[in-house]
Amino acid sequence: DTGVSQDPRHKITKRGQNVTFRCDPISEHNRLYWYRQTLGQGPEFLTYFQNEAQLEKSRLLSDRFSAERPKGSFSTLEIQRTEQGDSAMYLCASSLRTGSRETQYFGPGTRLLVL
Amino acid sequence: GQQVMQIPQYQHVQEGEDFTTYCNSSTTLSNIQWYKQRPGGHPVFLIQLVKSGEVKKQKRLTFQFGEAKKNSSLHITATQTTDVGTYFCAGFGSGNTGKLIFGQGTTLQVKP
Repeated sequence: DTGVSQDPRHKITKRGQNVTFRCDPISEHNRLYWYRQTLGQGPEFLTYFQNEAQLEKSRLLSDRFSAERPKGSFSTLEIQRTEQGDSAMYLCASSLRTGSRETQYFGPGTRLLVL
Repeated sequence: GQQVMQIPQYQHVQEGEDFTTYCNSSTTLSNIQWYKQRPGGHPVFLIQLVKSGEVKKQKRLTFQFGEAKKNSSLHITATQTTDVGTYFCAGFGSGNTGKLIFGQGTTLQVKP
């Protein structure tokens, strides 16, 4: 297994367009997370899944954002009607939670630029 | 809401000098995790501390978890240029949540 992968690695779009990002987690991991990171800040939690169930969603996530993990494997994050403020690195992470221990493994991220 | 804060935000050291970054949470944490992000890269897991007062070492890196489980530190002895990057601490939010809350990170620059 080569770790968490994300596609695309870079995306440039015009304001108002929709974009969709894909994340493929480590195969045996049951949890999948989406984060957003802007320059000089730590990753900011957006949402996470346990298997196919979306268990938590950040209050910062507007209704223009939607995430799915239809079969409990890969996940997609869609941003509708993009705004310049959506420009950021979108990171996906996966983990296998056992008891109270959990290590999240991050993918390389998708860098979004909204013009 | 729960906050995790790190100081300093930036640190420039001469190669061979020591470096320490401090992490403080507004609430008690079940565990604390540390990540390193190289310039242009993604966060890479370094270590997890679970027990109150726990100290763990990884070669030149020493990690501590405070007695009250609200603070933590990372100390690097004799820095090398390969230590350059941003170091983040992160803790799980309160309750049974998978939400990991990151500090804003400490960016380390090492002058050869």
